Amino acid sequence: DTAVSQTPKYLVTQMGNDKSIKCEQNLGHDTMYWYKQDSKKFLKIMFSYNNKELIINETVPNRFSPKSPDKAHLNLHINSLELGDSAVYFCASSTTSGSPYNEQFFGPGTRLTVL
Amino acid sequence: QKEVEQNSGPLSVPEGAIASLNCTYSDRGSQSFFWYRQYSGKSPELIMSIYSNGDKEDGRFTAQLNKASQYVSLLIRDSQPSDSATYLCAVNPGAGSYQLTFGKGTKLSVIP
Repeated sequence: DTAVSQTPKYLVTQMGNDKSIKCEQNLGHDTMYWYKQDSKKFLKIMFSYNNKELIINETVPNRFSPKSPDKAHLNLHINSLELGDSAVYFCASSTTSGSPYNEQFFGPGTRLTVL
Repeated sequence: QKEVEQNSGPLSVPEGAIASLNCTYSDRGSQSFFWYRQYSGKSPELIMSIYSNGDKEDGRFTAQLNKASQYVSLLIRDSQPSDSATYLCAVNPGAGSYQLTFGKGTKLSVIP
């Protein structure tokens, strides 16, 4: 199936731990994103990578570090987890070649719960 | 600060009626506009994109764009209970921009 996939789907962890979320897309897109959706369902961009280069870095704590080993993968590492980090994290991808309009396609999400 | 505003709802319509969802945006130079549908516990799913003033139809869905009024809407004809979801409006500032700004979503309930 062509899609954006994320692992894990659920992540439950203790405050202070370090965790990673992985994202992969096989759509041939050149741009990938991390979004956070809070308990009020507001979807907010965190980071964006284009061809492995960071192009958007919104105001997020530096405990969050994205890494893009290649243009099909974008991982998110979170250090020293806090209660307020509990949310659903979505990965998305789009292509900037052939279309100027940036249609983004989302992965299934990772529900992070920090206890 | 670029903003995208939507009524949070819930918007309730009877089955078979037309559901009308509205969105306004603050950045007058915005170029492309999207509607996403998000079922509870699921990820946003792109259902419509519109780039030019006027209407764009796809099946039971019609997106309408008025750049002068900075307004975009989504009409769902013959609403079905399966259309019950939160609808997110998203705006891209311009060609070459990677940014999408989302509204907070409108929750739609279609009553059988």
